[in-house]
Amino acid sequence: GIQVEQSPPDLILQEGANSTLRCNFSDSVNNLQWFHQNPWGQLINLFYIPSGTKQNGRLSATTVATERYSLLYISSSQTTDSGVYFCAVEAGANNLFFGTGTRLTVIP
Amino acid sequence: DAGVIQSPRHEVTEMGQEVTLRCKPISGHNSLFWYRQTMMRGLELLIYFNNNVPIDDSGMPEDRFSAKMPNASFSTLKIQPSEPRDSAVYFCASSTTRSTEAFFGQGTRLTVV
Repeated sequence: GIQVEQSPPDLILQEGANSTLRCNFSDSVNNLQWFHQNPWGQLINLFYIPSGTKQNGRLSATTVATERYSLLYISSSQTTDSGVYFCAVEAGANNLFFGTGTRLTVIP
Repeated sequence: DAGVIQSPRHEVTEMGQEVTLRCKPISGHNSLFWYRQTMMRGLELLIYFNNNVPIDDSGMPEDRFSAKMPNASFSTLKIQPSEPRDSAVYFCASSTTRSTEAFFGQGTRLTVV
């Protein structure tokens, strides 16, 4: 099956700092989503972004499908951004394969 | 819309007991997915339905697990008999059609003692 690799695995930021999370995938994809799993375990949709660039407030994402990667940018990080960020891709089998996530800790 | 609704939120049961997890997808969504999250294996797909029909159950770990979708608004995941290694968070998700955005429920945290 398709391989999904996320980096870095762990990230600690001072509040107000910016960061970039990366997702590499091994095959062409029909769908790519970014999720935030908050400390209560909820999986929150951030972006549905099989290609191109989208922005939502302090967050933005870019997927370069031809080069098989996606980036999630977090600007002016806040403590509420803490949690695990997952990239998930769908490659024709109509189900999402998840990466192992990036655990983000934002300290005040 | 209320989103994907799962029940119960938490379940603690003794080894050997039957466990039933429930899911109500978002109205109008015709694809439904059951995922399991563990520390060791991360998030993995167990089974998915399209228009109430099971399409791929290759992720179901063994015969102790079964899933049904009797109608467009309800699905169950059953474990019988349960074992301690089944302890995990089980998520249900739904989407409209192939390759569109999937939305997840809040999950059921299962503990088998």
